[in-house]
Amino acid sequence: GENVEQHPSTLSVQEGDSAVIKCTYSDSASNYFPWYKQELGKGPQLIIDIRSNVGEKKDQRIAVTLNKTAKHFSLHITETQPEDSAVYFCAASTAMYSGGGADGLTFGKGTHLIIQP
Amino acid sequence: AAGVIQSPRHLIKEKRETATLKCYPIPRHDTVYWYQQGPGQDPQFLISFYEKMQSDKGSIPDRFSAQQFSDYHSELNMSSLELGDSALYFCASSLEGGDTYEQYFGPGTRLTVT
Repeated sequence: GENVEQHPSTLSVQEGDSAVIKCTYSDSASNYFPWYKQELGKGPQLIIDIRSNVGEKKDQRIAVTLNKTAKHFSLHITETQPEDSAVYFCAASTAMYSGGGADGLTFGKGTHLIIQP
Repeated sequence: AAGVIQSPRHLIKEKRETATLKCYPIPRHDTVYWYQQGPGQDPQFLISFYEKMQSDKGSIPDRFSAQQFSDYHSELNMSSLELGDSALYFCASSLEGGDTYEQYFGPGTRLTVT
């Protein structure tokens, strides 16, 4: 089955600086890579995703890059703000190849992002 | 915008009891997923349903079963509860078909087994 590794486990950055979280996956059939933000006591919130036919995607201060050859993808957050503090999870699935079926996500272990004021 | 609804939000059970968790997907979503998240851990996929049929199966114990009903809501039934079943249980929903793969998570049900 799929295995997703995520680094670092904890990341502390100064407010206004950039943060980068990296993930690698093992299954070359995986083709959908979402990122979730989870605050304490809440459900994971989808913040951005990327599919295997795209190398990069950006949404305001958040961007994701995908390197299919190396099987890794990264989340970039620029101009970090205190409200960015949370646990971030990367995930992978083979949703596209399933013919429309509902594939479960395999998550990384999470990164605790701390924004220092 | 309407989100995924889960009930109950908190549940306390004793060992060997049974529990039923309910999930109401976002309107028009036809697919539901169940995940289990232990303290300080990542969500683990349990099972999913598309158009009332089981679609994908993860690490769901044999003591657990689930189904999706005609109105697309889903229930996760857990029997012979063990202390290790204490966790957050999330339901997510998506709209299959077309070019949509996004899974949107509910607020979760916190299950405590004593």
